[in-house]
Amino acid sequence: GNSVTQMEGPVTLSEEAFLTINCTYTATGYPSLFWYVQYPGEGLQLLLKATKADDKGSNKGFEATYRKETTSFHLEKGSVQVSDSAVYFCALSGGRGSTLGRLYFGRGTQLTVWP
Amino acid sequence: DGGITQSPKYLFRKEGQNVTLSCEQNLNHDAMYWYRQDPGQGLRLIYYSQIVNDFQKGDIAEGYSVSREKKESFPLTVTSAQKNPTAFYLCASRPQGSNTEAFFGQGTRLTVV
Repeated sequence: GNSVTQMEGPVTLSEEAFLTINCTYTATGYPSLFWYVQYPGEGLQLLLKATKADDKGSNKGFEATYRKETTSFHLEKGSVQVSDSAVYFCALSGGRGSTLGRLYFGRGTQLTVWP
Repeated sequence: DGGITQSPKYLFRKEGQNVTLSCEQNLNHDAMYWYRQDPGQGLRLIYYSQIVNDFQKGDIAEGYSVSREKKESFPLTVTSAQKNPTAFYLCASRPQGSNTEAFFGQGTRLTVV
């Protein structure tokens, strides 16, 4: 069945460091892929998405490219800020054989950025 | 403003009592979801609904019940059968289609004492 595997956290970085959070998925066909962010005590909000192979989603300096050959959707940012400290979730939806309407989430990666 | 609203933000109940968490959306979304979030466990799907008067069990439905009598509303009842109900509960809604994003409420933190 469909699943998402994310890099285990927590991740701790200094401000202006480069960020990579790995995400790989298991699904057949062409699922859509998402990154969500959750700030403390809040719900999730969409950070970026990609709906077909080789698409690059981007938002607020974050980027992720849909790589079908490696079944990956790694999140990157060139220079993190303290305000980026949050939990990041990779998710997928759709694909052949997928249960209609379901979103599949990774376990989340806690990012802490120090000044 | 369009959005999804969960209430209350914090909820305390005594063990053995049923409790209902509210979720309302005015985004005209067909699909609605309930997730449970525990530290270090990510999001686990409790129930979801694709259309009014229909809903499906997720991965951890035991001890929970839902209804979907209106498109805008998807309340979750945590029953006394739920063995460990203390958690953060998140409601989400989404338009139909696998490439659409989900919109989340702010969550309800339930504490059972």
